[in-house]
Amino acid sequence: QVQLQESGPGLVMPSETLSLTCTVAGYSISSGYFWGWIRQPPGRGLEWIGNFYHSGSNYYNPSLKSRVTISVDTSKNQFSLNLSSVTAADTALYYCAKVLDGSYYLDAFDIWGQGTMVTVSS
Amino acid sequence: EIVLTQSPGTLSLSPGERATLSCRASQSVSNIYLAWYQQKPGQAPRLLIYGASSRATGLPDRFSGSGSGTDFTLTISRLEPEDFAVYYCQQYGSSPITFGQGTRLEIK
Repeated sequence: QVQLQESGPGLVMPSETLSLTCTVAGYSISSGYFWGWIRQPPGRGLEWIGNFYHSGSNYYNPSLKSRVTISVDTSKNQFSLNLSSVTAADTALYYCAKVLDGSYYLDAFDIWGQGTMVTVSS
Repeated sequence: EIVLTQSPGTLSLSPGERATLSCRASQSVSNIYLAWYQQKPGQAPRLLIYGASSRATGLPDRFSGSGSGTDFTLTISRLEPEDFAVYYCQQYGSSPITFGQGTRLEIK
């Protein structure tokens, strides 16, 4: 059974970089599938951040592309999100997720982590 | 970017009733790549429907999805108490992946 768990600081200063990690259990990232990050501001809807494949293919939401980097550490079976130059608008619940089919980055998400809340504030 | 508009914003119904949730896209969704999710307070979204009408593993058959092009519908035939939640649609036919703003299904 595949499980995902997000981790990282709950508070980030404005203009700094938000860094989160998603640890995957029950499946090796290097075996396949695309994986991604989605966020949800308090009381609001969902926003796709980006998806990646373990071989190095990354696809980002154009609205965040200039500030986002997704990377993978296959030795730890983890992948990470870095979001630079954060503002209060980046305050959200951040989820990592696995895509359903795995063959392409445009896909539904069938397994989600529980989410981690990040607040941007001084 | 494809904008998804969900209606109604809030739907008030009683257990046993039929729920019909709408998701309208600003452009045609390629290959009916449209998904539906259920989210309960404090929980991550749960995939219900993908490909507009395919049920996720283990989903009760009271949930069904339909539609194509720009108009999609999630139907819950007979509401159970556990079905009251927020529902989101998502399109993955073109980049960027986008979600609707959600429909809150509440107990009347």
